[in-house]
Amino acid sequence: QVQLVESGGGVVQPGRSLRLSCAVSGLTFSSHAMHWVRQAPGKGLEWVAVISYDGSNKNYADSLKGRFTISRDNSKNTVYLQMDSLRVEDTAVYYCASDLFPYWGQGTLVTVSS
Amino acid sequence: DIVMTQTPLSSLVALGQPASISCTSSQSLVHSDGNTYLSWLQQRPGQPPRLLIYKISNRFSGVPDRFSGSGAGTDFTLKISRVEAEDVGLYYCTQTTQFPHTFGQGTKLEIK
Repeated sequence: QVQLVESGGGVVQPGRSLRLSCAVSGLTFSSHAMHWVRQAPGKGLEWVAVISYDGSNKNYADSLKGRFTISRDNSKNTVYLQMDSLRVEDTAVYYCASDLFPYWGQGTLVTVSS
Repeated sequence: DIVMTQTPLSSLVALGQPASISCTSSQSLVHSDGNTYLSWLQQRPGQPPRLLIYKISNRFSGVPDRFSGSGAGTDFTLKISRVEAEDVGLYYCTQTTQFPHTFGQGTKLEIK
Protein backbone atom coordinates (compact mmCIF):
# COMPACT_ATOMS: atom_id res chain seq x y z
CA GLN A 1 0.00 0.00 0.00
CA VAL A 2 0.99 3.64 -0.35
CA GLN A 3 3.00 5.05 2.53
CA LEU A 4 4.27 8.55 3.12
CA VAL A 5 6.54 9.01 6.13
CA GLU A 6 7.65 12.46 7.23
CA SER A 7 10.68 13.07 9.40
CA GLY A 8 12.91 15.90 10.52
CA GLY A 9 10.56 17.79 12.81
CA GLY A 10 11.53 18.99 16.25
CA VAL A 11 12.07 22.03 18.42
CA VAL A 12 14.09 24.85 16.89
CA GLN A 13 14.86 28.42 17.89
CA PRO A 14 13.49 31.36 15.91
CA GLY A 15 15.75 32.29 13.02
CA ARG A 16 17.19 28.79 12.66
CA SER A 17 16.66 26.28 9.85
CA LEU A 18 15.17 22.81 9.58
CA ARG A 19 14.83 20.32 6.75
CA LEU A 20 11.87 17.99 6.57
CA SER A 21 11.84 14.78 4.56
CA CYS A 22 9.00 12.67 3.25
CA ALA A 23 9.78 9.15 2.10
CA VAL A 24 7.24 7.63 -0.26
CA SER A 25 6.61 3.98 -1.05
CA GLY A 26 3.93 2.05 -2.91
CA LEU A 27 3.54 4.81 -5.50
CA THR A 28 5.32 5.57 -8.76
CA PHE A 29 6.92 8.54 -7.05
CA SER A 30 8.55 10.00 -10.13
CA SER A 31 5.15 10.35 -11.81
CA HIS A 32 3.50 12.42 -9.09
CA ALA A 33 3.68 16.02 -7.99
CA MET A 34 4.06 16.31 -4.23
CA HIS A 35 2.79 18.83 -1.72
CA TRP A 36 3.55 20.06 1.77
CA VAL A 37 0.59 21.19 3.87
CA ARG A 38 0.78 22.43 7.44
CA GLN A 39 -1.59 22.72 10.37
CA ALA A 40 -0.87 25.00 13.32
CA PRO A 41 -2.08 23.71 16.71
CA GLY A 42 -5.88 23.83 16.84
CA LYS A 43 -6.08 25.49 13.42
CA GLY A 44 -7.06 24.56 9.90
CA LEU A 45 -5.03 23.30 6.97
CA GLU A 46 -2.63 25.62 5.14
CA TRP A 47 -1.08 24.72 1.81
CA VAL A 48 2.67 25.30 1.80
CA ALA A 49 4.22 24.22 -1.49
CA VAL A 50 4.13 21.82 -4.43
CA ILE A 51 6.81 20.38 -6.68
CA SER A 52 6.16 18.82 -10.07
CA TYR A 53 6.87 15.16 -10.79
CA ASP A 54 10.34 15.93 -12.20
CA GLY A 55 11.21 18.84 -9.94
CA SER A 56 11.14 21.39 -12.75
CA ASN A 57 8.23 23.42 -11.37
CA LYS A 58 7.62 24.64 -7.85
CA ASN A 59 4.96 26.82 -6.30
CA TYR A 60 4.72 28.26 -2.82
CA ALA A 61 2.25 29.96 -0.54
CA ASP A 62 2.86 33.69 -0.97
CA SER A 63 3.61 34.20 2.72
CA LEU A 64 6.42 31.61 2.63
CA LYS A 65 8.23 32.52 -0.55
CA GLY A 66 11.90 33.09 0.01
CA ARG A 67 12.06 31.22 3.33
CA PHE A 68 10.90 27.72 2.37
CA THR A 69 12.26 25.59 -0.48
CA ILE A 70 10.73 22.37 -1.76
CA SER A 71 12.85 19.80 -3.57
CA ARG A 72 12.81 16.12 -4.44
CA ASP A 73 15.10 13.22 -5.16
CA ASN A 74 13.35 10.72 -7.41
CA SER A 75 16.16 8.21 -6.94
CA LYS A 76 15.30 8.13 -3.24
CA ASN A 77 11.52 8.55 -3.56
CA THR A 78 11.77 11.47 -1.19
CA VAL A 79 10.50 15.04 -1.12
CA TYR A 80 12.05 17.68 1.11
CA LEU A 81 11.10 20.99 2.65
CA GLN A 82 13.95 23.29 3.61
CA MET A 83 12.71 25.84 6.09
CA ASP A 84 14.94 28.84 6.82
CA SER A 85 14.55 31.89 9.08
CA LEU A 86 11.91 30.05 11.07
CA ARG A 87 9.38 32.05 13.04
CA VAL A 88 7.20 31.19 16.01
CA GLU A 89 4.19 31.25 13.69
CA ASP A 90 5.70 28.41 11.63
CA THR A 91 4.93 26.05 14.52
CA ALA A 92 2.71 23.36 13.03
CA VAL A 93 2.34 19.75 12.01
CA TYR A 94 3.75 19.46 8.51
CA TYR A 95 2.19 16.89 6.20
CA CYS A 96 3.37 15.70 2.82
CA ALA A 97 0.70 14.64 0.36
CA SER A 98 0.60 13.38 -3.20
CA ASP A 99 -0.96 15.40 -5.97
CA LEU A 100 -4.71 16.00 -5.68
CA PHE A 101 -4.33 14.79 -2.07
CA PRO A 102 -5.25 11.10 -2.19
CA TYR A 103 -2.35 10.08 0.05
CA TRP A 104 -1.04 11.78 3.19
CA GLY A 105 1.66 11.11 5.70
CA GLN A 106 1.07 11.14 9.46
CA GLY A 107 2.83 14.48 9.79
CA THR A 108 5.86 15.77 11.65
CA LEU A 109 5.64 18.45 14.34
CA VAL A 110 7.80 21.53 14.05
CA THR A 111 7.94 23.75 17.12
CA VAL A 112 9.68 27.10 16.83
CA SER A 113 10.40 28.46 20.29
CA SER A 114 13.16 30.18 22.18
CA ASP B 1 -5.81 34.08 -3.95
CA ILE B 2 -9.04 32.08 -4.11
CA VAL B 3 -10.89 32.22 -0.80
CA MET B 4 -12.86 29.14 0.17
CA THR B 5 -15.76 29.77 2.56
CA GLN B 6 -17.49 26.89 4.31
CA THR B 7 -20.85 26.88 6.05
CA PRO B 8 -21.70 25.92 8.66
CA LEU B 9 -18.51 25.94 10.72
CA SER B 10 -20.08 23.54 13.17
CA SER B 11 -22.82 20.94 12.75
CA LEU B 12 -24.56 18.79 15.34
CA VAL B 13 -26.30 15.83 13.71
CA ALA B 14 -28.12 12.83 15.14
CA LEU B 15 -26.96 9.38 14.14
CA GLY B 16 -28.67 8.21 10.98
CA GLN B 17 -29.64 11.72 9.95
CA PRO B 18 -28.28 13.57 6.90
CA ALA B 19 -25.66 16.29 7.01
CA SER B 20 -24.67 18.89 4.49
CA ILE B 21 -21.70 21.25 4.22
CA SER B 22 -21.44 24.08 1.72
CA CYS B 23 -18.31 25.54 0.22
CA THR B 24 -18.17 28.69 -1.85
CA SER B 25 -15.13 29.89 -3.74
CA SER B 26 -14.35 33.54 -4.45
CA GLN B 27 -13.63 32.68 -8.11
CA SER B 28 -14.69 29.98 -10.51
CA LEU B 29 -12.78 26.75 -9.97
CA VAL B 30 -13.05 25.65 -13.59
CA HIS B 31 -9.54 24.98 -14.84
CA SER B 32 -8.41 25.75 -18.38
CA ASP B 33 -8.37 21.98 -18.97
CA GLY B 34 -12.12 21.88 -18.31
CA ASN B 35 -11.90 20.13 -14.96
CA THR B 36 -12.99 21.62 -11.65
CA TYR B 37 -10.46 20.75 -8.98
CA LEU B 38 -12.59 20.92 -5.88
CA SER B 39 -12.02 18.24 -3.27
CA TRP B 40 -13.37 17.37 0.14
CA LEU B 41 -11.18 16.07 2.96
CA GLN B 42 -12.11 14.53 6.30
CA GLN B 43 -9.87 14.82 9.35
CA ARG B 44 -10.77 12.62 12.29
CA PRO B 45 -9.41 13.67 15.69
CA GLY B 46 -5.67 13.07 15.91
CA GLN B 47 -5.44 11.85 12.33
CA PRO B 48 -4.08 13.30 9.09
CA PRO B 49 -6.58 14.45 6.48
CA ARG B 50 -8.21 11.84 4.27
CA LEU B 51 -9.48 12.44 0.75
CA LEU B 52 -13.21 11.81 0.39
CA ILE B 53 -14.22 13.47 -2.87
CA TYR B 54 -12.22 14.85 -5.80
CA LYS B 55 -13.23 16.88 -8.84
CA ILE B 56 -16.53 17.87 -7.22
CA SER B 57 -18.26 14.49 -7.12
CA ASN B 58 -15.83 11.57 -7.47
CA ARG B 59 -15.57 9.40 -4.40
CA PHE B 60 -12.02 8.28 -3.63
CA SER B 61 -11.26 4.59 -3.23
CA GLY B 62 -12.76 3.10 -0.08
CA VAL B 63 -15.02 6.05 0.72
CA PRO B 64 -18.53 4.92 1.70
CA ASP B 65 -21.29 5.81 -0.74
CA ARG B 66 -23.13 7.76 1.95
CA PHE B 67 -20.70 10.58 1.06
CA SER B 68 -21.50 12.55 -2.07
CA GLY B 69 -20.35 15.79 -3.61
CA SER B 70 -22.06 18.16 -5.99
CA GLY B 71 -21.86 21.68 -7.36
CA ALA B 72 -20.32 23.72 -10.12
CA GLY B 73 -18.42 26.94 -10.71
CA THR B 74 -18.19 28.53 -7.28
CA ASP B 75 -20.73 26.63 -5.18
CA PHE B 76 -20.21 23.14 -3.89
CA THR B 77 -21.78 20.78 -1.36
CA LEU B 78 -20.74 17.71 0.56
CA LYS B 79 -23.59 15.53 1.75
CA ILE B 80 -23.61 12.62 4.15
CA SER B 81 -26.83 10.68 3.66
CA ARG B 82 -26.86 9.01 7.10
CA VAL B 83 -24.31 10.12 9.66
CA GLU B 84 -22.44 7.43 11.53
CA ALA B 85 -20.35 7.75 14.68
CA GLU B 86 -17.11 7.41 12.70
CA ASP B 87 -17.98 10.54 10.69
CA VAL B 88 -17.12 12.81 13.63
CA GLY B 89 -14.34 15.21 12.76
CA LEU B 90 -13.41 18.17 10.63
CA TYR B 91 -14.30 18.52 6.97
CA TYR B 92 -12.40 20.77 4.57
CA CYS B 93 -13.04 21.78 1.01
CA THR B 94 -9.97 22.61 -1.04
CA GLN B 95 -9.25 23.98 -4.47
CA THR B 96 -6.27 22.85 -6.53
CA THR B 97 -7.32 24.66 -9.69
CA GLN B 98 -5.13 27.68 -9.11
CA PHE B 99 -1.97 28.50 -7.16
CA PRO B 100 -1.79 29.04 -4.31
CA HIS B 101 -3.99 26.11 -3.43
CA THR B 102 -6.38 27.01 -0.63
CA PHE B 103 -8.57 25.33 1.96
CA GLY B 104 -11.84 26.24 3.59
CA GLN B 105 -11.82 27.02 7.32
CA GLY B 106 -13.12 23.57 8.18
CA THR B 107 -16.50 22.37 9.44
CA LYS B 108 -16.70 20.45 12.70
CA LEU B 109 -19.19 17.60 12.61
CA GLU B 110 -20.42 16.27 15.95
CA ILE B 111 -23.05 13.73 16.94
CA LYS B 112 -26.12 14.97 18.74
